[in-house]
Amino acid sequence: AQKITQTQPGMFVQEKEAVTLDCTYDTSDPSYGLFWYKQPSSGEMIFLIYQGSYDQQNATEGRYSLNFQKARKSANLVISASQLGDSAMYFCAMRPETGANSKLTFGKGITLSVRP
Amino acid sequence: EAGVAQSPRYKIIEKRQSVAFWCNPISGHATLYWYQQILGQGPKLLIQFQNNGVVDDSQLPKDRFSAERLKGVDSTLKIQPAKLEDSAVYLCASTPGRGAYNEQFFGPGTRLTVL
Repeated sequence: AQKITQTQPGMFVQEKEAVTLDCTYDTSDPSYGLFWYKQPSSGEMIFLIYQGSYDQQNATEGRYSLNFQKARKSANLVISASQLGDSAMYFCAMRPETGANSKLTFGKGITLSVRP
Repeated sequence: EAGVAQSPRYKIIEKRQSVAFWCNPISGHATLYWYQQILGQGPKLLIQFQNNGVVDDSQLPKDRFSAERLKGVDSTLKIQPAKLEDSAVYLCASTPGRGAYNEQFFGPGTRLTVL
């Protein structure tokens, strides 16, 4: 079974500054994928970034980067140069790469508020 | 490319009533998912389809929830009868396949309120 833990309370960041959103996970699967999604107040889930467990380098997508520390089982999201539109809920999720039912398991999310 | 479509966007019903949600995935996407997202929590998978077959429905409360995906394209999720604890956002998602790296594309969701 997979478990995702997101324990930070609501996060606040000043516009144009960087912010790190924490995520730790637990799994017995040898190979897995880690995802971050953004959910604005409108409700849709927007894919941000993916990290494979065997990827040698940390994933980056524009202003988003993933600080992947496999031994510590953490996959923190770093948002650089925060913008007002980054205010939203952020969810960390994981999925095993093996098995017929590759189910995506989500954490409970972190609220990010960007201050002008 | 059109995204995942869901309807209705909002629904308010009384407990013990029935309700149905509809989802049309992205064209060509073989895998379709229904999630339940209770306020303050992350989405929880209810059921996963591969084409028109069920791959995982282990967390679907089968005494009241049912889902189908006829012809392997669009899907409906039904609740009968609804309970107060069913109040949630119901999200539909689709992917081209089942591999670990297959980004799930989500629809806008249906917000259900059970009174």
